[in-house]
Amino acid sequence: SQQGEEDPQALSIQEGENATMNCSYKTSINNLQWYRQNSGRGLVHLILIRSNEREKHSGRLRVTLDTSKKSSSLLITASRAADTASYFCATDPMKTSYDKVIFGPGTSLSVIP
Amino acid sequence: KAGVTQTPRYLIKTRGQQVTLSCSPISGHRSVSWYQQTPGQGLQFLFEYFSETQRNKGNFPGRFSGRQFSNSRSEMNVSTLELGDSALYLCASSADPGTAGNTIYFGEGSWLTVV
Repeated sequence: SQQGEEDPQALSIQEGENATMNCSYKTSINNLQWYRQNSGRGLVHLILIRSNEREKHSGRLRVTLDTSKKSSSLLITASRAADTASYFCATDPMKTSYDKVIFGPGTSLSVIP
Repeated sequence: KAGVTQTPRYLIKTRGQQVTLSCSPISGHRSVSWYQQTPGQGLQFLFEYFSETQRNKGNFPGRFSGRQFSNSRSEMNVSTLELGDSALYLCASSADPGTAGNTIYFGEGSWLTVV
């Protein structure tokens, strides 16, 4: 079963707009990470937020974490065509018998020039 | 610092055959994980190795196996290939999986097509 679920599944915006993606998870976590994947390529690590952190910034990226709601959001400001990719959240559950790091199904972002 | 290297990048196999994929982690990383990515199932965890020992295993049949060598390089093997095994196989490495907040780094993946 999926630990993380991204929302929306697909998002299409105009260049220059902001893009917000959400991630919900089920169990307590040590940390949550966001990754980007360009079509057919490997995943690129974007940002990691620990369970005791509420917000983190990296360039045009802003990530929030609400452990009480078991949710996180990724905001990309002033989007560019190069931001077109799939974005995944990945959780590191505190207790798991299988997956060490569990990925959600991803949000497919299209930025239209 | 070189990234995670996976070979081969692309391969085509016939049903019933077996395949071996290779992964060289980032220098100094001792943990290697494998993931299968398909359009229908998304990213699914296969297994994780640390210091030549399998520490975690995902919910995959025994046809999927792996190993890690003393230099941290890892291989995964899929025997008796099925059409449904067609996927992008991703390898990831990290320095210390036991540390909270540990970032994992992915290779470009190996595209396997089973015909």
